[in-house]
Amino acid sequence: GNSVTQMEGPVTLSEEAFLTINCTYTATGYPSLFWYVQYPGEGLQLLLKATKADDKGSNKGFEATYRKETTSFHLEKGSVQVSDSAVYFCALISGGSYIPTFGRGTSLIVHP
Amino acid sequence: KAGVTQTPRYLIKTRGQQVTLSCSPISGHRSVSWYQQTPGQGLQFLFEYFSETQRNKGNFPGRFSGRQFSNSRSEMNVSTLELGDSALYLCASSLEQFSYEQYFGPGTRLTVT
Repeated sequence: GNSVTQMEGPVTLSEEAFLTINCTYTATGYPSLFWYVQYPGEGLQLLLKATKADDKGSNKGFEATYRKETTSFHLEKGSVQVSDSAVYFCALISGGSYIPTFGRGTSLIVHP
Repeated sequence: KAGVTQTPRYLIKTRGQQVTLSCSPISGHRSVSWYQQTPGQGLQFLFEYFSETQRNKGNFPGRFSGRQFSNSRSEMNVSTLELGDSALYLCASSLEQFSYEQYFGPGTRLTVT
């Protein structure tokens, strides 16, 4: 079956630090990959996506590259802000099933 | 454009009762999916509705059911509540079924005592 593994949090950073949140996956076929963000008290928001190998998704300074050879989709940001504090979810949808599979989420805490 | 709305936002029920949660999708969106989010299990897919028909179903017992109306609004029902049903229930809408892009509501926080 499909699965998504994210690094455990919380990840604690100072403002303007570099962020990496690791995500690896197993899936049948060629999945589409997503990062969602959940701010406190809110639902998930789609942050970025990539639908084929070597695609780079980007939004609001966040980037992730679909690496088929390493089955990874790591989230990066060059300079985090306090407002980026949230829980980040990696997810996939594979062609065989349109039921999305989510990782357990990684909490990010950014200090001023 | 208004986002996905869910009502109520918070709910406290007693074990054995039943509960109905409501979701209004983004205008023009025809697919609605439901998820359960708990600290222990993470985010789990419940079911998806499109054109008033259930198109996909996750691995949940029959106590969990839903429906969709002709205006795409959806309701989710949980009967015979158990303590383990305490969770954040999220609704997500998309333009079409089997869509890669879903837009989530803020959720309904259900507490079963």
